[in-house]
Amino acid sequence: DVQMTQSPSSLSASVGDRVTITCRASQSISTYLNWYQHRPGKAPKLLIYAASSLHSGVPSRFSGSRSGTDFTLTISGLQPADFATYYCQQSYNAPTFGPGTKVLI
Amino acid sequence: EVQLLESGGDLVQPGGSLRLSCAASGFTFTNYAMSWVRQAPGKGLEWVSGISDSGTNTYYADSVKGRFTISRDNSDNTLYLQVDSLRAEDTAVYYCAKGRSPYYTAPFDFWGQGTLVTVSS
Repeated sequence: DVQMTQSPSSLSASVGDRVTITCRASQSISTYLNWYQHRPGKAPKLLIYAASSLHSGVPSRFSGSRSGTDFTLTISGLQPADFATYYCQQSYNAPTFGPGTKVLI
Repeated sequence: EVQLLESGGDLVQPGGSLRLSCAASGFTFTNYAMSWVRQAPGKGLEWVSGISDSGTNTYYADSVKGRFTISRDNSDNTLYLQVDSLRAEDTAVYYCAKGRSPYYTAPFDFWGQGTLVTVSS
């Protein structure tokens, strides 16, 4: 199985900040990497698929990039609705998620 | 508008069984793979099982293989998860998730609100 790690596990930020979350795969997964946002009590939402493609309806302040087996989610200009937990997930083979990054006020 | 509505979660004793359902609407159900993903209390997301668009191919996480069975009724736009031999560690919110393509590893582009399964004596 492909193992996914994320850093940091949590971070504190303010409205308007630029936030970067990193995800690393235990082996090459090409661009089979997706990012999700999960707020407590809500359905998870797909933000980015295929490492850098923005899912329909997702604000353009969210972006994704890849460097080898390292992947980055960037939120440019944090909004109140963005305080949530973010998960990366590989879709190279049987899906696995990273442990999550909690973005706190 | 895509809608996924899970049901069937309950409090069940260890060793017990449940059948979870997910009613889908707002898209052509027969064209997409579907999955179940769970979140245990205080933990992250864990993929549990997936099924291809036709229902021919099914896939399971090692943690549930042999105990859980995924199926779908394409005539009724419904996804199922039969969960047997339940353990305390199966306690979680179970989400139904739609894939972006017919293959089970496709990204999950829409999710339901979840149904809670609690395994306790």
